Amino acid sequence: DTAVSQTPKYLVTQMGNDKSIKCEQNLGHDTMYWYKQDSKKFLKIMFSYNNKELIINETVPNRFSPKSPDKAHLNLHINSLELGDSAVYFCASSQDEGGPPYEQYFGPGTRLTVT
Amino acid sequence: LAKTTQPISMDSYEGQEVNITCSHNNIATNDYITWYQQFPSQGPRFIIQGYKTKVTNEVASLFIPADRKSSTLSLPRVSLSDTAVYYCLGAGGYNKLIFGAGTRLAVHP
Repeated sequence: DTAVSQTPKYLVTQMGNDKSIKCEQNLGHDTMYWYKQDSKKFLKIMFSYNNKELIINETVPNRFSPKSPDKAHLNLHINSLELGDSAVYFCASSQDEGGPPYEQYFGPGTRLTVT
Repeated sequence: LAKTTQPISMDSYEGQEVNITCSHNNIATNDYITWYQQFPSQGPRFIIQGYKTKVTNEVASLFIPADRKSSTLSLPRVSLSDTAVYYCLGAGGYNKLIFGAGTRLAVHP
């Protein structure tokens, strides 16, 4: 019973390509997120999204776009991939209505390598 | 959004109690202090969260002084499997999580 799943687990592609990473949560949560963890292990939030609002970290290039077909899915599309996009991308979800605990459940990560 | 400061790394031995202190001088009034654990090649996992005083669960205890400018995560009797990176952060709802560099805990036999 995987709570937050991501596909693929590994993604190797060339510069300039367009790729997508899929995320699904079966927890019934109302908010989903995408994080990027670079080689130095810093974990930075890229987007948070619920049915009311998309919040974008202002440092995220517009080549990155989240797309949510429904409440349980938040996919990440990346256009014109660059070498610096190589990282591990984590999807997460949480139930934020009703107060704490503000616990986020993370997926297993997708390791993206751009060559 | 609260910035946190914690030691880069710590070493311990099996069976010892480990205390990791985090400084968060500018934590917001409505932020809860939250700790996550991350094993290699896995996503972070929620450990514990509190607002003030002491919180205890089956995994850890969290001590928060009255001024809330710091907090201490206490792991009782660590084992090798507790080797991980531990993140301290403030959480007040969605889009409020900022992960710092974390504390890399190494537990030795």
